[in-house]
Amino acid sequence: DAGVIQSPRHEVTEMGQEVTLRCKPISGHDYLFWYRQTMMRGLELLIYFNNNVPIDDSGMPEDRFSAKMPNASFSTLKIQPSEPRDSAVYFCASSPISGGATNEQFFGPGTRLTVL
Amino acid sequence: AQSVTQLDSQVPVFEEAPVELRCNYSSSVSVYLFWYVQYPNQGLQLLLKYLSGSTLVKGINGFEAEFNKSQTSFHLRKPSVHISDTAEYFCAVRDTGTASKLTFGTGTRLQVTL
Repeated sequence: DAGVIQSPRHEVTEMGQEVTLRCKPISGHDYLFWYRQTMMRGLELLIYFNNNVPIDDSGMPEDRFSAKMPNASFSTLKIQPSEPRDSAVYFCASSPISGGATNEQFFGPGTRLTVL
Repeated sequence: AQSVTQLDSQVPVFEEAPVELRCNYSSSVSVYLFWYVQYPNQGLQLLLKYLSGSTLVKGINGFEAEFNKSQTSFHLRKPSVHISDTAEYFCAVRDTGTASKLTFGTGTRLQVTL
């Protein structure tokens, strides 16, 4: 398996622009997570999905952030409009079904976002 | 809700020396515990996990961790580190219920030098 795939790996944009980050989870995994990593705040869970349904979006910083999972093999995280404070590394992770399983999360390589 | 405290933000150590990275957690329910490693410019990968059973857990790359319920700790250890162990290490916890949400600590930067 190719693992969790994220694109783009690097994104540089200007303040006010729309940014879309993409994630392809590992095939067969039921859970998908979006994290943000910054020096100041560490690793923060933004939102997670189970079977394509958002379960917990309490970590989404504000209305400028939105996430979708239209099918089991694709998810997007959108920031509109972007601001310099959104600069961070965004990770996507997927996990097999819980209910007694190990619940290990498999992380993608991340997207480094820079908002100028 | 759970929380994780990693007491050391940075740990410098010489190659071939032993190392311990500390992790304490807080939770009102039973938990599963994890250690993840992040190499530069990469995503996180699982080092080891505690689910149940023996409190001493062995992981990849010669790392091990011991679950101590009374002290609510899950410290990571390696008897002899290598330069290639230089990375960021994250402790994480989740409850044993149906929720899949992991709570991560702030990370410990392990810097191994000659």
